[in-house]
Parts: sequence; structure tokens; C-alpha cells
Amino acid sequence: DTEVTQTPKHLVMGMTNKKSLKCEQHMGHRAMYWYKQKAKKPPELMFVYSYEKLSINESVPSRFSPECPNSSLLNLHLHALQPEDSALYLCASSQTTLGGYTFGSGTRLTVV
Amino acid sequence: LAKTTQPISMDSYEGQEVNITCSHNNIATNDYITWYQQFPSQGPRFIIQGYKTKVTNEVASLFIPADRKSSTLSLPRVSLSDTAVYYCLVGDSGFQKLVFGTGTRLLVSP
Repeated sequence: DTEVTQTPKHLVMGMTNKKSLKCEQHMGHRAMYWYKQKAKKPPELMFVYSYEKLSINESVPSRFSPECPNSSLLNLHLHALQPEDSALYLCASSQTTLGGYTFGSGTRLTVV
Repeated sequence: LAKTTQPISMDSYEGQEVNITCSHNNIATNDYITWYQQFPSQGPRFIIQGYKTKVTNEVASLFIPADRKSSTLSLPRVSLSDTAVYYCLVGDSGFQKLVFGTGTRLLVSP
């Protein structure tokens, strides 16, 4: 298995809703990442987990809450989002050695 | 983190060779250069990675001069399906805090 799987592919939520994005990989990668990408912009790093511990938080608002239950799974819990949070949310994983990141196809989030 | 600079956009025609250059003047000794391809509404896809000289795989070549302050991604005989955004990133081999630059939007026409 050489993929990063993200669910759901599309999500529409209201500003008072609570939802979660899920990311899964079975490549044995020990680092996992959340990126946010707005239209026609490059991906922006949000969080980095290494060995299931949060190692980097790029000053992301608390309405985004990451969780890494085990080495294969990464969640992003969403609460009280704003319309400007609408974007493509990308998950990625990597090894400690070379080879780059493996990205999932993303979750297209729309906040209404 | 080494900052990268790429052309915003490039145009080409099917069957041509495309070379996209990336500038990374403050690259560190331990840094590698990695290129990604991204189609609309999809995650970036790893293309190629290198440290120095030349690296070639089944889809591209990467040329890195001796001073490593720039690199060139070469796509041989592009097709319409190569229309995408191409990102050059620089970082070491650990759990990198990869920062994407603006990327190069390549448009391949018939």
C-alpha cells in the first residue's frame, strides 16, 4: 500500500458544526502532516506529527484541532469554522529517510 | 529554511522538452531538492529528488550545478496531461518542515 487515504473527499459544514477529517497511511511512515490550500495558492503547512507527537503547529487557530491516535491515522477536528476556512485540506506522510512526501487527494471543505 | 524562486508560469507545446529552473541561493549543506507536480483539486505528487549533478527517472531529469544554488527540472516530450503546477522544495532528509513556494504553472497546448 503506497497511498495516503483521506476521507471524506468533500465536506460542507455550517459555522456551528463539529466535524472531523481523517487521514490514513499504511506505509510505516513516522511523520504525518496537515496542509491547507486555497485556490491557486501553494499548500500551507498547518501541523506536523512525528512519532505520533505534535512537533510543529504553525500558529493555527484553535478551531482546528489535530489528533494522531496511532502511527497510521491522523485526524483534524473542526469546530466553529469561518467561511474563509473553506479550502482543500491535504494530508501527507513521510519517512525519516529520503523519498519526499506522499500526499493524499485532499478533502474539499466548504464552510457555509 | 531555504527559499525557492521559480517562474510563475510557462507555456509549451506537445512533444517539446520543458525545462523549469528553480533558484535556491541559501541552500544548506544537508538539503536535498525535491520537485512535486500538482493537478487541480489533487494532492501534490512526488516527481524527483536529488542532491547534486544529475538524477533521472522514468518521468523527468533533475540537473543540479556544482554550487547547488539552482536546479532544473527537465520534462522530455511533454503531453497535454503534463499541464499542472510544479513546485521545487528544498529541505534536509529528516521530518522536514516543507514550505511550498509559488510554483510554476505549466500549460501544454496541442
